[in-house]
Amino acid sequence: QKEVEQDPGPLSVPEGAIVSLNCTYSNSAFQYFMWYRQYSRKGPELLMYTYSSGNKEDGRFTAQVDKSSKYISLFIRDSQPSDSATYLCAKWGDSSYKLIFGSGTRLLVRP
Amino acid sequence: GAGVSQTPSNKVTEKGKYVELRCDPISGHTALYWYRQSLGQGPEFLIYFQGTGAADDSGLPNDRFFAVRPEGSVSTLKIQRTERGDSAMYLCASSSGQGYGYTFGSGTRLTVV
Repeated sequence: QKEVEQDPGPLSVPEGAIVSLNCTYSNSAFQYFMWYRQYSRKGPELLMYTYSSGNKEDGRFTAQVDKSSKYISLFIRDSQPSDSATYLCAKWGDSSYKLIFGSGTRLLVRP
Repeated sequence: GAGVSQTPSNKVTEKGKYVELRCDPISGHTALYWYRQSLGQGPEFLIYFQGTGAADDSGLPNDRFFAVRPEGSVSTLKIQRTERGDSAMYLCASSSGQGYGYTFGSGTRLTVV
């Protein structure tokens, strides 16, 4: 079992929809979580960074952490075609410098 | 610089050749990381530098891979005797210390033919 699991998609939604992206993790050490967005042939871009259970909001993006079930989510409100990308969840592994990534979920927002 | 710069953006090389991939981190960032990303997968850790020294190189797959950061800024990832299985996107990232989110570069796409 991978330390961070993520549904690869692809996920296809119409413009304006609410998108829910999800990950599960197995290692309870260093429960700091990140969401990255990666456009095709580009490096990942940090979207959200959180360590608390509950919700963290930044514009149209909300990161949700449930440590009791080891489940993390990213919600995107009013999705736009420009949101079409691969979304990667990540957490620190056995240290506070080594990130463990999920395999990424491809999102397509149709105009 | 404004962001993490990686050169070249694309590299095609023949099996058995030697390649160098360069990373120029954000100015003042003491921590530098190399990751490798295969198609359809998330990035996987290769090596972490704090300053000039490799603090953790446990992700390097074998002794054909080596990385340096001689002056604590620019880093070079070196791959000897390349194999087709080395084909991947090589990503560099930097941060101002441990426990912070990274800033990634755009990567070098390496293709070994």
